[in-house]
Amino acid sequence: GAVVSQHPSRVICKSGTSVKIECRSLDFQATTMFWYRQFPKQSLMLMATSNEGSKATYEQGVEKDKFLINHASLTLSTLTVTSAHPEDSSFYICSATSRLQAGYGYTFGSGTRLTVV
Amino acid sequence: EDKVVQSPLSLVVHEGDTVTLNCSYEVTNFRSLLWYKQEKKAPTFLFMLTSSGIEKKSGRLSSILDKKELSSILNITATQTGDSAIYLCAVGPRTGGGADGLTFGKGTHLIIQP
Repeated sequence: GAVVSQHPSRVICKSGTSVKIECRSLDFQATTMFWYRQFPKQSLMLMATSNEGSKATYEQGVEKDKFLINHASLTLSTLTVTSAHPEDSSFYICSATSRLQAGYGYTFGSGTRLTVV
Repeated sequence: EDKVVQSPLSLVVHEGDTVTLNCSYEVTNFRSLLWYKQEKKAPTFLFMLTSSGIEKKSGRLSSILDKKELSSILNITATQTGDSAIYLCAVGPRTGGGADGLTFGKGTHLIIQP
């Protein structure tokens, strides 16, 4: 079945630094990648949608200059949290789907727990 | 704004019990409803429902959609401790190949006691 690999699974960084999270589709071509954020005891909230080769579409309230998304190839999307602050600490999950390969639906990565100290 | 509401938010039952989890939605353009099970990390897919009244089954789990009532239920029979998880309901595109993301409910935190 479809597999999405997300790294790192856990990262601790200092306030003011940047963190990059990678999401790779291992056995299918992900034409679209979604990035979600989940706070404790809350649901997954969609942050942005990225189509391969295009600029990402951000949801209302999500700062595009703070959360940089790159989807340069059909198998890789990255989310960079720039100048991270403690309030950015959260669980970030990517999800991939493909318009090229029917039946793949949405496949989730394993998530990244970001802690900003 | 699309909205997905799940109930109850948490539920504690004993092993062997049957549970029913609820999901209701308000969306401008319904396409499909999905159920996921989330343990410690990423959600794992359970069901995708697009047609009203057709039950989908997988082992002890089953789910059905009621488009008239704008709701869905997820049933788990003969529960086991391994069923303990957060069950998420989401609304999204029908084919799974669309460009739109999913709108999630807050989830039902299910705890199965031995």
